[in-house]
Amino acid sequence: DQQVKQNSPSLSVQEGRISILNCDYTNSMFDYFLWYKKYPAEGPTFLISISSIKDKNEDGRFTVFLNKSAKHLSLHIVPSQPGDSAVYFCAASETGAGSYQLTFGKGTKLSVIP
Amino acid sequence: KAGVTQTPRYLIKTRGQQVTLSCSPISGHRSVSWYQQTPGQGLQFLFEYFSETQRNKGNFPGRFSGRQFSNSRSEMNVSTLELGDSALYLCASSATGGRTGELFFGEGSRLTVL
Repeated sequence: DQQVKQNSPSLSVQEGRISILNCDYTNSMFDYFLWYKKYPAEGPTFLISISSIKDKNEDGRFTVFLNKSAKHLSLHIVPSQPGDSAVYFCAASETGAGSYQLTFGKGTKLSVIP
Repeated sequence: KAGVTQTPRYLIKTRGQQVTLSCSPISGHRSVSWYQQTPGQGLQFLFEYFSETQRNKGNFPGRFSGRQFSNSRSEMNVSTLELGDSALYLCASSATGGRTGELFFGEGSRLTVL
């Protein structure tokens, strides 16, 4: 079963507008969440993270929101730029587990239209 | 600071053969993880090593194995290759092996099994 779900395989947004990427998880033991961005022919790169003790974390144009009761997180990109066009992966981990393992969603391909 | 280096970048094998992939982590990083990326499944965790010890293994058959050397470099091996093993294999390193540190990914090794 898929413990981290990104239900939108793709998303198109106009340049300058807000991009909202969503992620749902089922494992209540997850307590740390990360977003990665991946360009073609490159490895994923870390974007932003949030601990379950917070409900919001900001880094420049990127903000991640966490709703623990709904087991839902979202990534907001404001304003969206053409260079943001990439595949975005949501990932989660159990910090109390014995080792470091991320469980990834299948990704959402974001296209920012100039 | 050099990033995570994976070799080879591309390779083609036939069913039944075996393959060895190599990963050199960022200098000073002691944790190395391996992930398989396929279009249908996203990124799936294979295993994680820390100081030459495998700490966790994902839900993959025993044909998938790995090891880590004293200099933190890691290799993974897939024996008796099947068509379904065609994928991008990503290696990632982490500074602490810590549960809240982000992973730094290499560009991956693209394996095609014919």
